[in-house]
Amino acid sequence: QKEVEQDPGPLSVPEGAIVSLNCTYSNSAFQYFMWYRQYSRKGPELLMYTYSSGNKEDGRFTAQVDKSSKYISLFIRDSQPSDSATYLCAMSFTGANSKLTFGKGITLSVRP
Amino acid sequence: GAVVSQHPSWVICKSGTSVKIECRSLDFQATTMFWYRQFPKQSLMLMATSNEGSKATYEQGVEKDKFLINHASLTLSTLTVTSAHPEDSSFYICSADPGQGIGQPQHFGDGTRLSIL
Repeated sequence: QKEVEQDPGPLSVPEGAIVSLNCTYSNSAFQYFMWYRQYSRKGPELLMYTYSSGNKEDGRFTAQVDKSSKYISLFIRDSQPSDSATYLCAMSFTGANSKLTFGKGITLSVRP
Repeated sequence: GAVVSQHPSWVICKSGTSVKIECRSLDFQATTMFWYRQFPKQSLMLMATSNEGSKATYEQGVEKDKFLINHASLTLSTLTVTSAHPEDSSFYICSADPGQGIGQPQHFGDGTRLSIL
C-alpha cells in the first residue's frame, strides 16, 4: 500500500462546476497537508497548506482535512479554464518545509 | 519573493555523459534544499535532502555515487547525474526551504527535463 493515494484521473468538468479532489493516506504520523498545482513542464505551485483537521478557505479553494479518516480534500468552486492543471496532494511529518510525500496527481481539465 | 531558479530547463545528451543541474534561491538563503524526480504521469519522489556545508541525505534506493549533490552556498545546490543512461531520463525538480519555520512551505523551481539518448 502506498503511503499516499490520490484519486486517479483525468477529470474533465464544465466551466463553473465545483470540483472535488481527494487523497487518502496510511500513516497517521503525517501532520502537515498541502495541495499543489502543477502546469505542464513547470514546478509545483503551493495552493493550500493546512495543519489541523477541519476546513481552510482561500478564495475559490477550500482544503479539508479529516485526520481520523486519514482523508484530505480540495474543493474548487466556480472552476475556470485557467484551473486546468495537475493537482498534487502532499504531506509531511514535521512541517511544510521538510520532506514531502506526494500523491500521484490528478489532471483536471475545465471546459469553457 | 521566494523565487527558486533551476538551470538548465531542458537538456539532451548522449548516454554516458555527466549532467549538472543548478538550483538557486534568488531572493532568500536556503540552508536546506530538496531534489525530487518525476517520471511521466507519476508523482514527485524525493531523491535527497541537501544541507549547506554538509553531505546530502539520500532516500532509500537512490544511488549517491550516481546522483552527486553539492550545496556549497546558502543560495546554490547542484545535482550531477554521472554517466547518465536512458533510464535516468526524467523531470528533476528542486525546492528550497526559506528557513522561516515549519509553517512556511518550501518553494519549488520549474524543473529540468533531462533526456538521455
